[in-house]
Amino acid sequence: AQRVTQPEKLLSVFKGAPVELKCNYSYSGSPELFWYVQYSRQRLQLLLRHISRESIKGFTADLNKGETSFHLKKPFAQEEDSAMYYCALSGGLTGGGNKLTFGTGTQLKVEL
Amino acid sequence: SQTIHQWPATLVQPVGSPLSLECTVEGTSNPNLYWYRQAAGRGLQLLFYSVGIGQISSEVPQNLSASRPQDRQFILSSKKLLLSDSGFYLCAWTFRDRVTGELFFGEGSRLTVL
Repeated sequence: AQRVTQPEKLLSVFKGAPVELKCNYSYSGSPELFWYVQYSRQRLQLLLRHISRESIKGFTADLNKGETSFHLKKPFAQEEDSAMYYCALSGGLTGGGNKLTFGTGTQLKVEL
Repeated sequence: SQTIHQWPATLVQPVGSPLSLECTVEGTSNPNLYWYRQAAGRGLQLLFYSVGIGQISSEVPQNLSASRPQDRQFILSSKKLLLSDSGFYLCAWTFRDRVTGELFFGEGSRLTVL
């Protein structure tokens, strides 16, 4: 079974401070990890995926297989980063196509 | 470009009444389709997914059912709603033949059962 754990329901930081949203996973195979974001009154959307190794809106995430973690980081938080962030895991196309297992989400609040 | 539409956006129903939430995708063919329920503190729970017309897989036992009568249409139903069915329901799609893992979500339907 696959599982995603986000230990923090709410993370509050000041503008300009570093941000780290934690995500740990459990999966027996080779996982694909993602971060999704939901801004206020907007649709849930993909932020970044580990295979792309890209930085989106200043955010990065590194897959650490030894620690089974995929933490989301940004060196300097901006007010517009305030949103709900979900970590998600996919086992690929096996058995019915790209099912994503989501964590419980972390609400990031960036204060001035 | 592809779009996904989901309706109704808001629904208030009495206990024991039927339910029908509809989702359609435009601009693509043969998508994988999904119904998720989003609950505070519980994240997004996958309820059903479909890889083709008439092919439905249920992830959790529940009072709901899903159907896919057409390639780009996905319906979430119940014959008799329970209080516990209240929640925010999200429809999503992805390309069937691409291993991108990216789901495209609808705007959601908020169901309140009284």
